[in-house]
Amino acid sequence: DAGVIQSPRHEVTEMGQEVTLRCKPISGHDYLFWYRQTMMRGLELLIYFNNNVPIDDSGMPEDRFSAKMPNASFSTLKIQPSEPRDSAVYFCASSLRRGFTGANVLTFGAGSRLTVL
Amino acid sequence: AQSVTQLDSHVSVSEGTPVLLRCNYSSSYSPSLFWYVQHPNKGLQLLLKYTSAATLVKGINGFEAEFKKSETSFHLTKPSAHMSDAAEYFCVVNGGSQGNLIFGKGTKLSVKP
Repeated sequence: DAGVIQSPRHEVTEMGQEVTLRCKPISGHDYLFWYRQTMMRGLELLIYFNNNVPIDDSGMPEDRFSAKMPNASFSTLKIQPSEPRDSAVYFCASSLRRGFTGANVLTFGAGSRLTVL
Repeated sequence: AQSVTQLDSHVSVSEGTPVLLRCNYSSSYSPSLFWYVQHPNKGLQLLLKYTSAATLVKGINGFEAEFKKSETSFHLTKPSAHMSDAAEYFCVVNGGSQGNLIFGKGTKLSVKP
């Protein structure tokens, strides 16, 4: 398996522009997570899906952020309009929940580094 | 509520010396605990996990961690550091019934030649 695939790897855009980040999870994984990483806040969970359904979006900063998962092999995170404070590395991760403990082992993508000027 | 605290934001060791990265957790039930590693400009990779089996857990690249319930700790160790171990390490606890994970703030490990 090629792992979790994210695109683009780097994005530089100007304030006010729309940004779309893409993620292809590992085939067969039924959980998909979007995280944001910054120096100030560390790693923050934005939203996660189970079987393509959003379960918890309480980490989404504001209405400018939206995420979709139209099918089991694709998800998008959209920021519209983008602002400089959105500059961060955005990670997608997927997992297959196993066992009684429900211990999720996440496989992360390489991340999308976003810079908003 | 579940939480995790990494006691050091930065640890520096010399190559060939032991590594100790400290993590304390808080959990209202028997936790699942993980260590992830992030090399520069890379995604996070699972090092090891504890899920209520053996308290001493062995991971990749010679790392291991010991679950100590009495101390609510899950410290990461390695007998001899290698230059390639320089990275950021995250201690993680299973956050609840939905299984979402709670990440610590991370510990940056530097390895000096």
